Amino acid sequence: GAGVSQSPSNKVTEKGKDVELRCDPISGHTALYWYRQSLGQGLEFLIYFQGNSAPDKSGLPSDRFSAERTGGSVSTLTIQRTQQEDSAVYLCASSAYRNEQFFGPGTRLTVL
Amino acid sequence: AQSVTQPDIHITVSEGASLELRCNYSYGATPYLFWYVQSPGQGLQLLLKYFSGDTLVQGIKGFEAEFKRSQSSFNLRKPSVHWSDAAEYFCAVTKAAGNKLTFGGGTRVLVKP
Repeated sequence: GAGVSQSPSNKVTEKGKDVELRCDPISGHTALYWYRQSLGQGLEFLIYFQGNSAPDKSGLPSDRFSAERTGGSVSTLTIQRTQQEDSAVYLCASSAYRNEQFFGPGTRLTVL
Repeated sequence: AQSVTQPDIHITVSEGASLELRCNYSYGATPYLFWYVQSPGQGLQLLLKYFSGDTLVQGIKGFEAEFKRSQSSFNLRKPSVHWSDAAEYFCAVTKAAGNKLTFGGGTRVLVKP
């Protein structure tokens, strides 16, 4: 079956612009996660959605970062007023309830 | 707070030799543990997981890992590496299955012919 998909695969933007990153989880998975992978910080948790519960936003680094999950499926991570330190690979994962996470290929974001 | 340490940043191993990657975690209760592999330009692929039960777990691609509570470790092993095993390996821990993961810094494995 189809795995987790993310789009775009690469995004280059200018400092100060807003960007939206999309994640399509595995069908039927109730949980969706966003992580960030950068050279300096390694793999960091950003935000987590589980069913209809309020999302766990404890990993978002600033209020410029937000995410939503529509209809319990697709998720969009939005970064406003991008900064150079936002350059990283953004990874999305999904899981069935109380199970292991499956990762997408990631979106490489470069902020010039 | 939970944390994961992978002491080896790089490991070089000859093809056909055995491989062991170290992982130490810090967590007060029973952890849920994972090993993921990342090939260049790819996402993370799950190799194996430990939730409970038998402390020696088998995974894909011939990998296994052993959970040792007394040592707070979850080391990954493979008896004979193949050139295709060259990649970066990440150990991860969570407090409950399905919860957010805390990752170690990763170990990059190079395989010599």
